[in-house]
Amino acid sequence: QKEVEQDPGPLSVPEGAIVSLNCTYSNSAFQYFMWYRQYSRKGPELLMYTYSSGNKEDGRFTAQVDKSSKYISLFIRDSQPSDSATYLCAMSFNAGNNRKLIWGLGTSLGVNP
Amino acid sequence: DAGVTQSPTHLIKTRGQQVTLRCSPKSGHDTVSWYQQALGQGPQFIFQYYEEEERQRGNFPDRFSGHQFPNYSSELNVNALLLGDSALYLCASSLSGTQYFGPGTRLLVL
Repeated sequence: QKEVEQDPGPLSVPEGAIVSLNCTYSNSAFQYFMWYRQYSRKGPELLMYTYSSGNKEDGRFTAQVDKSSKYISLFIRDSQPSDSATYLCAMSFNAGNNRKLIWGLGTSLGVNP
Repeated sequence: DAGVTQSPTHLIKTRGQQVTLRCSPKSGHDTVSWYQQALGQGPQFIFQYYEEEERQRGNFPDRFSGHQFPNYSSELNVNALLLGDSALYLCASSLSGTQYFGPGTRLLVL
């Protein structure tokens, strides 16, 4: 079993839809959870960063963490064609500068105009 | 701020050869982490450098080695290349935890 599971998709939605992306994990020691966006042939770009359980909102993006279920989500409201990219979840055991990130496979999202 | 830069952008090598990839971190960042991302996969942690020392390492063989220079830039070296080493190699720099990624070097081993 992989430490972090993420459905690779692809996921295709019409413009304006609400998108839900999810990851599950097996190690309850993970404390810090991130969502990155990766456009084709580019490096990952940090979208959201959360600590432990709870919600965090930033513009059209909302990140949720449910540690009891070992489940994290990213919601995108009013999706735009420019949101078409691969979304990767990542997590770490600690917050320090020595952290190493454990990643999901990434979910490929296409938003159709 | 130029952000994290990596060179070269693309590279083609043959099995058994050696390769060196380079990374310049964001200004002021003192930690560099390297990841390997195979096609359709998430990145896999290779190792991390801080104060010119390898601070921690993922599950990669000794063929993968690195270096960090006094200006915090870093190199990733891979010896005896295998077909399976074909991937996007990502460098991330950090100062206080959050990792910022470069565009990567795409390595193809034939």
